[in-house]
Amino acid sequence: DAGITQSPRHKVTETGTPVTLRCHQTENHRYMYWYRQDPGHGLRLIHYSYGVKDTDKGEVSDGYSVSRSKTEDFLLTLESATSSQTSVYFCATSGGGNTEAFFGQGTRLTVV
Amino acid sequence: GNSVTQMEGPVTLSEEAFLTINCTYTATGYPSLFWYVQYPGEGLQLLLKATKADDKGSNKGFEATYRKETTSFHLEKGSVQVSDSAVYFCALVGYTGTASKLTFGTGTRLQVTL
Repeated sequence: DAGITQSPRHKVTETGTPVTLRCHQTENHRYMYWYRQDPGHGLRLIHYSYGVKDTDKGEVSDGYSVSRSKTEDFLLTLESATSSQTSVYFCATSGGGNTEAFFGQGTRLTVV
Repeated sequence: GNSVTQMEGPVTLSEEAFLTINCTYTATGYPSLFWYVQYPGEGLQLLLKATKADDKGSNKGFEATYRKETTSFHLEKGSVQVSDSAVYFCALVGYTGTASKLTFGTGTRLQVTL
């Protein structure tokens, strides 16, 4: 399995506060992704990166920003957390092309 | 854009029953197709994959065939076990030459009982 570590694994935060989730990989994969998982919606893409400093929006990017300053790290920031952002967040990586993605264990975020 | 549609769950089966979970897709070009499995409290794990038309992916008794003519990738298993209880996601990756993006279905929960 690809070495993908998400931190923190669980977080409770208050509405209006900024939150940063971290994804770290040891596979030197070019692509990194952030998804959120909610009942009835499956996995929805928030943002993805196709190289250092190269990022693009997914289908549910409003209220989120990302940064990738080095190959192994991809940060997801909730600029001002809202209750609608309570979810389980997954990071994934892939080598690109038509190859499969590998997933981290997820971060459960609760916004109160 | 690309999309994946899979049957809604939950699917409840008795142990040793035959399993089919339907998956159809819409995509441009020549995507690769995947089935992922998620056990409670865990991330997604790749179950099987197929990279071109008529390819059959298989793993742990599960199989799926890439059918371009029907744009389908149905998951099958001849005899399910209680340990197969999980959520199954159909997915595709479409590479445009500049970006490689994965698209998932909404997932199908499988419950296997004794």
